[in-house]
Amino acid sequence: AQSVAQPEDQVNVAEGNPLTVKCTYSVSGNPYLFWYVQYPNRGLQFLLKYITGDNLVKGSYGFEAEFNKSQTSFHLKKPSALVSDSALYFCAVRDRPGGGNKLTFGTGTQLKVEL
Amino acid sequence: DVKVTQSSRYLVKRTGEKVFLECVQDMDHENMFWYRQDPGLGLRLIYFSYDVKMKEKGDIPEGYSVSREKKERFSLILESASTNQTSMYLCASSLPTGGLYEQYFGPGTRLTVT
Repeated sequence: AQSVAQPEDQVNVAEGNPLTVKCTYSVSGNPYLFWYVQYPNRGLQFLLKYITGDNLVKGSYGFEAEFNKSQTSFHLKKPSALVSDSALYFCAVRDRPGGGNKLTFGTGTQLKVEL
Repeated sequence: DVKVTQSSRYLVKRTGEKVFLECVQDMDHENMFWYRQDPGLGLRLIYFSYDVKMKEKGDIPEGYSVSREKKERFSLILESASTNQTSMYLCASSLPTGGLYEQYFGPGTRLTVT
């Protein structure tokens, strides 16, 4: 079965500092990996995905994520955080092959960026 | 841009009522999904559909059913609402299978069952 873990419920960072939101996954085959962001009272918005190829994936709003197969991780990063980045972030994984159409989501990490 | 709309942002129902949550997407996507979101539990898949009249159970289908009579519309039905179904419900859609494609989400319906 596929699973994903976000070990931190909340991450606090000062504006202008780099940020990292952690994600580790477990699949039987090779993974498809996704990051989504949820602003207050909104649905989830897609940020980026890893399918194959370069381990560093660039996405929306200046975010990027690094796929590390040996550590089974897909951490979300941004070089310089903004207050407007404060939101709830979800990592998700699909196993391939055999994962069907199902994405498995993590429990979410609340990012708080302070002045 | 893909647009996924949900019929209500907030809904309050009584225990035992039959509840319908509607979702419509405008991008001709084959796949549609219903999730519930609860604090500390993330998103959990209730049902998904990969074609009209086709459906598959997700991880927590008990107490729910779905209907997909038209490609653009996917309904979630709570046959007899209970207080433990108080939650945020999110609908999503995506291009077909392979898992290659991201899902697009609606704004959510916050359902309270009293």
